[in-house]
Amino acid sequence: GENVEQHPSTLSVQEGDSAVIKCTYSDSASNYFPWYKQELGKRPQLIIDIRSNVGEKKDQRIAVTLNKTAKHFSLHITETQPEDSAVYFCAASRPGGTSYGKLTFGQGTILTVHP
Amino acid sequence: NAGVTQTPKFQVLKTGQSMTLQCAQDMNHNSMYWYRQDPGMGLRLIYYSASEGTTDKGEVPNGYNVSRLNKREFSLRLESAAPSQTSVYFCASSERRDTQYFGPGTRLTVL
Repeated sequence: GENVEQHPSTLSVQEGDSAVIKCTYSDSASNYFPWYKQELGKRPQLIIDIRSNVGEKKDQRIAVTLNKTAKHFSLHITETQPEDSAVYFCAASRPGGTSYGKLTFGQGTILTVHP
Repeated sequence: NAGVTQTPKFQVLKTGQSMTLQCAQDMNHNSMYWYRQDPGMGLRLIYYSASEGTTDKGEVPNGYNVSRLNKREFSLRLESAAPSQTSVYFCASSERRDTQYFGPGTRLTVL
C-alpha cells in the first residue's frame, strides 16, 4: 500500500519567515495530495490540495508543489504569522478501485511561529 | 449545516467494555471514514465506506467494527476495549475523491 513520509517533524520559525514542509510518497499511481492544518484540540481542516495534472498551486500565502518523477510534494508558507502555528499533515490517495477515496497521511509537522 | 458531528466528545472505558462511537453528516456525501490519531503517528484509517451499504477495512481495523446505518450515519464499535485503543477518533466524509471533512473528534481513554 501507499506510504507517506513527512519531514521535518517539528519546525520553528520567526514571524515573517517562510516555512517549508516536505512529503514523499511511494505509490506512483497516487494522484491527489491534500494538506491539512490541525490546531491544538481541533479537527484537521483542508488548507490546500493538488492533483497530479499540475505542478504547483498557490492560495495567498500558501503554495504546494508536486514532483511526480521524484514522488514528492511540498507545502510552502510565506510571511508566517503566529496563527500559522499548528500541526500540518500531508496525505496522498490513488484513484478508484479498492483504494477509492482512501487517504494515507504523513506523520505530521508541528510548526511554531515565534512573534 | 452542522457538517460532520460525532458523539460522545469524551469517553473513559475499562478494559473489556464495549461502546459505539456515532458519526453523522448532513452534506449528502457518499463516502465516510473512521480514523484514529495517536501522537507522532498522524491519522490512520480504521474503516471506510465508499457508499451506503458498503464498508471496507483500512490500515488498522483489528478490534473494531463499523456499520453504515444509512447515507448520513457511520458508527464505529469497540467490542472489547483495550488500552491500546486509547486514542482520538475522527470521523470524516467526502463526496467521491474530493475534500474530506472531519468531525470534532472523540477522545477515548481505556483504563
